[in-house]
Amino acid sequence: DQQVKQNSPSLSVQEGRISILNCDYTNSMFDYFLWYKKYPAEGPTFLISISSIKDKNEDGRFTVFLNKSAKHLSLHIVPSQPGDSAVYFCAAGIDNYGQNFVFGPGTRLSVLP
Amino acid sequence: EAGVVQSPRYKIIEKKQPVAFWCNPISGHNTLYWYLQNLGQGPELLIRYENEEAVDDSQLPKDRFSAERLKGVDSTLKIQPAELGDSAVYLCASSSGAGGSPHEQYFGPGTRLTVT
Repeated sequence: DQQVKQNSPSLSVQEGRISILNCDYTNSMFDYFLWYKKYPAEGPTFLISISSIKDKNEDGRFTVFLNKSAKHLSLHIVPSQPGDSAVYFCAAGIDNYGQNFVFGPGTRLSVLP
Repeated sequence: EAGVVQSPRYKIIEKKQPVAFWCNPISGHNTLYWYLQNLGQGPELLIRYENEEAVDDSQLPKDRFSAERLKGVDSTLKIQPAELGDSAVYLCASSSGAGGSPHEQYFGPGTRLTVT
């Protein structure tokens, strides 16, 4: 029973266009969300986070949107660059419940030049 | 600033043998995590430490897995005996619980274990 789902295993986007990576969760207690990026043979690196008190958080080319009623979040990358090609994981947790986060299975993004 | 250090990077062992992984977190990070990542899946938490205390080990298969974080800094994860299904990447992460993104975890490169 996956609490955090990323239903698209892979996504291909042309350089310069927008990449949209989606994530759905089932536990309504989750109120803090993280996105990580992972290159081959490296550990995941933190990208951006969002708390449930917000519906949007932006950091440069990366924006995360949260729709609490739909239990859905998305990561937008604009414009996409070839260096963005990696596996992206979303993770969800409960802000005041320690720091345990549940990770989704990841989406492999390929940005084509 | 040095990142999370893990060793070894790769390990191949025969089933029923013991194996140990070592992690050195970022200096000053009190929280340390061990994750298991299978191919095509996200990291799954095995154990979380706050300083030297294991505050969540509910997902750690205690019949064969053990971990320690003596002195609240370095940590070791051990498997004894290893089984074929233990083949995976073992990730260590640490966090400070402070700053603009208090839940941000910094991951090491992982140890890829192959059990034959």
